[in-house]
Amino acid sequence: DQQVKQNSPSLSVQEGRISILNCDYTNSMFDYFLWYKKYPAEGPTFLISISSIKDKNEDGRFTVFLNKSAKHLSLHIVPSQPGDSAVYFCAASRVNNNDMRFGAGTRLTVKP
Amino acid sequence: EAQVTQNPRYLITVTGKKLTVTCSQNMNHEYMSWYRQDPGLGLRQIYYSMNVEVTDKGDVPEGYKVSRKEKRNFPLILESPSPNQTSLYFCASSTRQGRPYEQYFGPGTRLTVT
Repeated sequence: DQQVKQNSPSLSVQEGRISILNCDYTNSMFDYFLWYKKYPAEGPTFLISISSIKDKNEDGRFTVFLNKSAKHLSLHIVPSQPGDSAVYFCAASRVNNNDMRFGAGTRLTVKP
Repeated sequence: EAQVTQNPRYLITVTGKKLTVTCSQNMNHEYMSWYRQDPGLGLRQIYYSMNVEVTDKGDVPEGYKVSRKEKRNFPLILESPSPNQTSLYFCASSTRQGRPYEQYFGPGTRLTVT
């Protein structure tokens, strides 16, 4: 039972354009959401997060949007750079609980 | 340097031969977790620990054991490995302070069970 879903296994965009990665969740108890980035042969690294009391969080080129009614979040990368090419994982958790659920990941390729 | 270390990084073993993958963090984090990554399934949590001597099952705990006797260490034990435990394993840690839930991951351990 995958409670966090990333339905696009891969995404390819041109350098300088916007990348939009999507994530859906089924458990309405989740109240904290995160995006991680993973390069080959390395562990995932934290990218950006959002609490359920917000609908947007921005950090430089990265913005996460949360739509609680649709149980949907998205990660926007603007402008995309070749160094952004990686696998991106969406994750969800509950406050004061270390039980974190991850999506299957989306492989982003940014072409020069 | 703040880091999570795992050993070994690569391991090939045979069915039924007990093994332990070690995990250590130097950030004094309270939370530690183990995940496995499989194609199409992403990261699935095996076990987690919220502090010393406190462990809980994650999504896929069957066939695994853990212990948390010291804050910095969280070993993963496979008492009788089977081929379906062939996977890429990650250890992670995080803190209650500042930005909880934002986990620091180790570099991964690729395990093959034949």
